[in-house]
Amino acid sequence: DQQVKQNSPSLSVQEGRISILNCDYTNSMFDYFLWYKKYPAEGPTFLISISSIKDKNEDGRFTVFLNKSAKHLSLHIVPSQPGDSAVYFCAAHSTGNQFYFGTGTSLTVIP
Amino acid sequence: DVKVTQSSRYLVKRTGEKVFLECVQDMDHENMFWYRQDPGLGLRLIYFSYDVKMKEKGDIPEGYSVSREKKERFSLILESASTNQTSMYLCASSSYGTGGSRLWNSPLHFGNGTRLTVT
Repeated sequence: DQQVKQNSPSLSVQEGRISILNCDYTNSMFDYFLWYKKYPAEGPTFLISISSIKDKNEDGRFTVFLNKSAKHLSLHIVPSQPGDSAVYFCAAHSTGNQFYFGTGTSLTVIP
Repeated sequence: DVKVTQSSRYLVKRTGEKVFLECVQDMDHENMFWYRQDPGLGLRLIYFSYDVKMKEKGDIPEGYSVSREKKERFSLILESASTNQTSMYLCASSSYGTGGSRLWNSPLHFGNGTRLTVT
């Protein structure tokens, strides 16, 4: 059973606009959340994380929002650039347990 | 930067063969992991290790085994390859986390993956 879900397999956005990638989870014990970015023929690279004690974490163009009551996580990319085109995975874990990954969302930024 | 190196980018093996996938990390990380990535299923944990000669099963260990004789090297073994093991295999490493969580509190650093095809 998928404990972390990314319901949108793909997303297309114009360059310069905002990209919003969404992630839902079912396990209320999760306390650490991450986003990974994956280019074709490469392994996933860590992008940004957030602890459950926060509701927002920002790093340059990337912001992650956490809504614990809704069990929802989102990644905002502003402004989107063509180099952001990749597959994005969200992941979550609870202390002492393994990471659970979503199925990924393929983002295409159109120049 | 952490470097996680997987020995092969592409492998083609026959059903029944014994297959070795090798992974080496250069950051003295305690923890190492093997995942497989399949379309529509995301990344699923096969095995992990938090110390030399230690191993733990992940979600899908059947048909696989692992070996960790040295801290920097973690090998995945397919004892008798089958077509349903055709997949992208990803190795990852991480350091011990903070706050009392030995294994899971720091980000995973992934290798570039091995695309295995079993025919």
